[in-house]
Amino acid sequence: GENVEQHPSTLSVQEGDSAVIKCTYSDSASNYFPWYKQELGKGPQLIIDIRSNVGEKKDQRIAVTLNKTAKHFSLHITETQPEDSAVYFCAATPGAAGNKLTFGGGTRVLVKP
Amino acid sequence: DGGITQSPKYLFRKEGQNVTLSCEQNLNHDAMYWYRQDPGQGLRLIYYSQIVNDFQKGDIAEGYSVSREKKESFPLTVTSAQKNPTAFYLCASSVLQGASYEQYFGPGTRLTVT
Repeated sequence: GENVEQHPSTLSVQEGDSAVIKCTYSDSASNYFPWYKQELGKGPQLIIDIRSNVGEKKDQRIAVTLNKTAKHFSLHITETQPEDSAVYFCAATPGAAGNKLTFGGGTRVLVKP
Repeated sequence: DGGITQSPKYLFRKEGQNVTLSCEQNLNHDAMYWYRQDPGQGLRLIYYSQIVNDFQKGDIAEGYSVSREKKESFPLTVTSAQKNPTAFYLCASSVLQGASYEQYFGPGTRLTVT
């Protein structure tokens, strides 16, 4: 089945700097890659996603890139703010299970003021 | 206000008792899911349902049961057979957008069994 690995597990950045989280996946047929932000004690919130026919997508300060050949995708947060502090999860839809997601292990991001 | 509701937010039970967690959505989504999250861990799929009266086991279904009698409701029962039930339980639903399904999560229920 699909396997998604996420790095780093923790990331500490200074306010205003950029943060980058990387994920790799194993199923070359995967075609949908969402990113979720989870604040303490809450459910994950979908913040951005990318589909396999697109290489990059931006939404204000966040962007996601996808390299299908290398089977990896990344989340980029620019001009980080304290409210960006949270746990971020990447996920992938295995090619044979279109409405199931396999999640990475999560990255705890701390933005220091 | 559309969304996914889970109740209660906190639930306490004694060991050996079954407990049912509620999940309701008014988004008209066809598919619904239950995940388990342990401290500092990722999300693991327990059960999912693509349509009413049908559901499939996820990766960690042992000790859990579900029903899907209505499109908007997908309750999860944690049975006494679940060896380590204390966890944060998340319900989600999904909608087809283009060629892929976007999943949205509820606020979660934190279950503590002593």
